[in-house]
Amino acid sequence: SQQGEEDPQALSIQEGENATMNCSYKTSINNLQWYRQNSGRGLVHLILIRSNEREKHSGRLRVTLDTSKKSSSLLITASRAADTASYFCATENKAAGNKLTFGGGTRVLVKP
Amino acid sequence: DAGITQSPRYKITETGRQVTLMCHQTWSHSYMFWYRQDLGHGLRLIYYSAAADITDKGEVPDGYVVSRSKTENFPLTLESATRSQTSVYFCASSPSGANIQYFGAGTRLSVL
Repeated sequence: SQQGEEDPQALSIQEGENATMNCSYKTSINNLQWYRQNSGRGLVHLILIRSNEREKHSGRLRVTLDTSKKSSSLLITASRAADTASYFCATENKAAGNKLTFGGGTRVLVKP
Repeated sequence: DAGITQSPRYKITETGRQVTLMCHQTWSHSYMFWYRQDLGHGLRLIYYSAAADITDKGEVPDGYVVSRSKTENFPLTLESATRSQTSVYFCASSPSGANIQYFGAGTRLSVL
């Protein structure tokens, strides 16, 4: 079963626009992470936010976490064609120990 | 080369055959993981290992066997391949628990 569910499943935007995707989860977490996967490649870690943090930035990425709603969002500002990829949230659950549970991902297409 | 490598990158086999997918990491990370990625299911954990000679089941372990005699290697064996095991398999490693995971490039396996 998937702990994280991303929304939307797919997103198409123009270069320069912002891309926002959301992740919802079901159980208490220690932290939540976002990963990117380019076509035919492995996943690459983008950012980690701990359960006691509400917002975190890394370059053009902004992640928010609302533990009361059990949800997170990833914002990519000023998108580029190179941002075209699938984005996955992953949760480290307090009950599941030292493992990550991945969502189904959001496919982002940035059109030049 | 430093990093995490998977071999082979592509594999075609027949039902009933035994197949072993290799994973090798050069960071001496204590944790290693095997996932499968299927359309509609995201990434699902098959097995993981906290250290050499310590392995545990993930979400979908049936039909798979793992071993970890050395810290750097974590092979995944399909004892008798079935068509339902056609998938893309990813190996990952982590220096501790469920903090950041580093992924290999994946093995695309087709079972005919």
